[in-house]
Amino acid sequence: GAVVSQHPSWVICKSGTSVKIECRSLDFQATTMFWYRQFPKQSLMLMATSNEGSKATYEQGVEKDKFLINHASLTLSTLTVTSAHPEDSSFYICSAPRGTNTEAFFGQGTRLTVV
Amino acid sequence: GQQLNQSPQSMFIQEGEDVSMNCTSSSIFNTWLWYKQDPGEGPVLLIALYKAGELTSNGRLTAQFGITRKDSFLNISASIPSDVGIYFCAGQLPGTYKYIFGTGTRLKVLA
Repeated sequence: GAVVSQHPSWVICKSGTSVKIECRSLDFQATTMFWYRQFPKQSLMLMATSNEGSKATYEQGVEKDKFLINHASLTLSTLTVTSAHPEDSSFYICSAPRGTNTEAFFGQGTRLTVV
Repeated sequence: GQQLNQSPQSMFIQEGEDVSMNCTSSSIFNTWLWYKQDPGEGPVLLIALYKAGELTSNGRLTAQFGITRKDSFLNISASIPSDVGIYFCAGQLPGTYKYIFGTGTRLKVLA
């Protein structure tokens, strides 16, 4: 069964509004989670690292004020896309490493469409 | 952003054939992971490799962690229609939990 749960699985929003995506680790604690973005027919690109109890670290070229990350507990990280625009439409996926082997498990993904 | 070179980009094969794909990088990785992604879904972990030279199987799938730690391959034996999808490799950057993904191999199986 799933070890990382992501919600919602899809969302449609109007330009200028904000959208929150949740990523939960099930049955394990994750001090670190990762957020990826995937455009159609492309690979996953790491956006940011979510750190429990401290600020997220963003990859080069990712606007931290636009993609707000909050890792409020050991099992939950949220990504908020602020003032969304059509070019933000994409598939957003989170992942969390579990255990000492550090293999990463992924959520089901969230398809965001901004109209 | 950083990506791994993965080949082939896509392939059509006959059901029952074996498939091979690989990832290469100029960087060293600590861990290699192989994932399969179905349309509209998140990636699902297939095989994890933790040390150079390691050869691991999962059913019809076999993957190896290259000796140089800069490459990995995935083989699928006796392919079946449900093997259709996109396969990604991912390498773990040393000293971090970060993974860099390959460009993907799109597999299509002809029955």
